Amino acid sequence: GIQVEQSPPDLILQEGANSTLRCNFSDSVNNLQWFHQNPWGQLINLFYIPSGTKQNGRLSATTVATERYSLLYISSSQTTDSGVYFCAVSTSGTYKYIFGTGTRLKVLA
Amino acid sequence: NAGVTQTPKFRVLKTGQSMTLLCAQDMNHEYMYWYRQDPGMGLRLIHYSVGEGTTAKGEVPDGYNVSRLKKQNFLLGLESAAPSQTSVYFCASSKRFEQYFGPGTRLTVT
Repeated sequence: GIQVEQSPPDLILQEGANSTLRCNFSDSVNNLQWFHQNPWGQLINLFYIPSGTKQNGRLSATTVATERYSLLYISSSQTTDSGVYFCAVSTSGTYKYIFGTGTRLKVLA
Repeated sequence: NAGVTQTPKFRVLKTGQSMTLLCAQDMNHEYMYWYRQDPGMGLRLIHYSVGEGTTAKGEVPDGYNVSRLKKQNFLLGLESAAPSQTSVYFCASSKRFEQYFGPGTRLTVT
């Protein structure tokens, strides 16, 4: 089955710094989502981005489906950005999403 | 709108006991999913449903059963709980492919 790898596994930033999180996948995908799991465990939908680029405030995401990767950019990070960031993918004709193991982000004040 | 809700939030079971987790959504979504999350890991799909009356197996279906008798509800059952089923269980729903998650149920099996 499809493999999803996220990097880096852990990241520590000072408040105000920028960061790039990467999601690589081993096969063609038709659907891709980015989620933020906050320290209380809630999963928050950030982007549905099977291809192209989207922006929402300080966050933006780019998926290059032909090269099998997606990037999540966080600019001017805040302590509230702390948590785990997951990407999840599914292949054509299926609703079975496969999650990566996540990037754990800690933003220091 | 409440979005996706899960009942209960916490539960402790003894090995061999049974229980049902309830997921409800008020967004009129066709698709619903049950995942489990183990410490330090991503989510793994247990079962999913593409519409009322339909269910299908995901990545880790063994030991679980599901039912979708009403469009807005998706039930996850454990017939005979085992310690390996200690986990956080998340429900999600989607209109098509963009999933929205509930707050989770923390289950401990002793």
